[in-house]
Amino acid sequence: DVKVTQSSRYLVKRTGEKVFLECVQDMDHENMFWYRQDPGLGLRLIYFSYDVKMKEKGDIPEGYSVSREKKERFSLILESASTNQTSMYLCASSRGQADTQYFGPGTRLTVL
Amino acid sequence: SQQGEEDPQALSIQEGENATMNCSYKTSINNLQWYRQNSGRGLVHLILIRSNEREKHSGRLRVTLDTSKKSSSLLITASRAADTASYFCATARGGPPDMRFGAGTRLTVKP
Repeated sequence: DVKVTQSSRYLVKRTGEKVFLECVQDMDHENMFWYRQDPGLGLRLIYFSYDVKMKEKGDIPEGYSVSREKKERFSLILESASTNQTSMYLCASSRGQADTQYFGPGTRLTVL
Repeated sequence: SQQGEEDPQALSIQEGENATMNCSYKTSINNLQWYRQNSGRGLVHLILIRSNEREKHSGRLRVTLDTSKKSSSLLITASRAADTASYFCATARGGPPDMRFGAGTRLTVKP
């Protein structure tokens, strides 16, 4: 059974803190994605990675960075959290770039 | 940029009725996928239809694709209360970065 896990379901941080969101998949997938989901805006792609140590910007990369040191793990980093980064963050993985994506349960981040 | 746009934004029906949701998109695609999201959870893949297919079935789900109109529809037959969720379409063009999701249709099925 395919599985994508995210390190936290709920997270509360203060403005200016450095925040790490971790995502792990056990399907040996090449591609991994980070989205944020806000009411009325759907899912917006922040970053994606198609191989270890490779990363590509999505539609809204500003204020975020990512790290993929191992195939199974893709981390999203908020260098200095701001209140407008309060959102639901969803990680996904897929075998091919246009293939079915498998999602983690999401992390609801609140920045105070 | 958002590719797929679902219509309606919200839909409320009685158990046993059929639910139809539509998706429109703007550019050529490799495939179109439908996902479901229960409140506060991750998305779950429902069905994928390729650009050279016109219709696909999976259980109580029926998806159609009209590439000339750049639109797709998802039909859920004999709906159940457990079908209450948000439904998203996502379009894939086949090259990076890929997969664009719409804002979703919120379906409520009343028992």
